[in-house]
Amino acid sequence: QVQLQESGPGLVKPSETLSLTCTVSGGSVSSGSYYWSWIRQPPGKGLEWIGYIYYSGSTNYNPSLKSRVTISVDTSKNQFSLKLSSVTAADTAVYYCARARRDGYNGVDYWGQGTLVTVSS
Amino acid sequence: DIQMTQSPSSLSASVGDRVTITCRASQSISSYLNWYQQKPGKAPKLLIYAASSLQSGVPSRFSGSGSGTDFTLTISSLQPEDFATYYCQQSYSTSITFGQGTRLEIK
Repeated sequence: QVQLQESGPGLVKPSETLSLTCTVSGGSVSSGSYYWSWIRQPPGKGLEWIGYIYYSGSTNYNPSLKSRVTISVDTSKNQFSLKLSSVTAADTAVYYCARARRDGYNGVDYWGQGTLVTVSS
Repeated sequence: DIQMTQSPSSLSASVGDRVTITCRASQSISSYLNWYQQKPGKAPKLLIYAASSLQSGVPSRFSGSGSGTDFTLTISSLQPEDFATYYCQQSYSTSITFGQGTRLEIK
């Protein structure tokens, strides 16, 4: 059974960089069959796709966040990470790491439990 | 970006009811449409992929249909555990987008 677990600070100051790591167990980030994704959800609101990475390192980002987002993968640790720079209160959200199938339909079939990140001074 | 619009935004129904939720894309997305269920405080769960394919382990009372711009998620006979928020998601574009969600409440 694949499991994903987010980790990182729950509080980030405005203008600083949000950094989260997702540790994958029961599966491998080196699998060619999946995209490793980040999705967020502001409190009481809907889902927003942030981006994904393939094991080779190729990435695809939400155009509205692209200038501030970096997603990387560490195959040796079976982890992938998110960095979001210059954060504001609008970046306060539950951040999910997830696995999307690389079959064109990109259904997200496994999710982490989510971690709330609050942007506040 | 492709905009995904769900209707209704909220819906009240009773156990045993047949319920349909609609998702409309701002342009044709072929069958690149997935549906998710989210319960409060939990991560979303994949129900339907490729517009009409049932994800493994999902009860057969859930079904999806449509192609192009108009899609539906149908629950044939509502069960107590089905009261949740439902989201559609398109993956036709490299910029993946979700609908705003439909909240299904108990009448």
